[in-house]
Amino acid sequence: SQTIHQWPATLVQPVGSPLSLECTVEGTSNPNLYWYRQAAGRGLQLLFYSVGIGQISSEVPQNLSASRPQDRQFILSSKKLLLSDSGFYLCATLRGYNEQFFGPGTRLTVL
Amino acid sequence: GENVEQHPSTLSVQEGDSAVIKCTYSDSASNYFPWYKQELGKRPQLIIDIRSNVGEKKDQRIAVTLNKTAKHFSLHITETQPEDSAVYFCAASPSTTSGTYKYIFGTGTRLKVLA
Repeated sequence: SQTIHQWPATLVQPVGSPLSLECTVEGTSNPNLYWYRQAAGRGLQLLFYSVGIGQISSEVPQNLSASRPQDRQFILSSKKLLLSDSGFYLCATLRGYNEQFFGPGTRLTVL
Repeated sequence: GENVEQHPSTLSVQEGDSAVIKCTYSDSASNYFPWYKQELGKRPQLIIDIRSNVGEKKDQRIAVTLNKTAKHFSLHITETQPEDSAVYFCAASPSTTSGTYKYIFGTGTRLKVLA
């Protein structure tokens, strides 16, 4: 069965600092991978998705970037965080017929 | 672009009553409609889904109906219990290209079941 690991689980960062969130997937190969952000009390915003190593599609223009250096590794980065980057970041893959299967998430607070 | 609207944004019901959440979608090529439940501080989890060749699907106390002509689908929870309290998200999966399987999520409904 598939497992998604995300770290760190929580993070507090000052405005203007860099960011690196990591997601790794077990139990599958060549997965579609997704990054979502959920602002406090809000819905799920798709940020990036990837269908293979080095293939990244961006959904929303912002100061974030994503990379996929290995088949089952997906990284979300920023050079300079903004207050508006605070939120719950969820990595996801596909499972079964078409289920969007989410990782445990990283809660980011930018101060 | 593709859009999914979800109503209501908040819903309070008495324990034992039914709850209904409704969604409409814009892309007529969408063919997969899942519902997710998100408890406080946790990840969203799939609770039920329906494909476009089916009009209704039921799993114990939850059911989903789909009207492709009108482009709307609904979640029905009967005999609600306090543990049903959570945020519920609908989603629509537009026609896939290159196997991306992108989802468009609704904005969520906060359900509170009052004991």
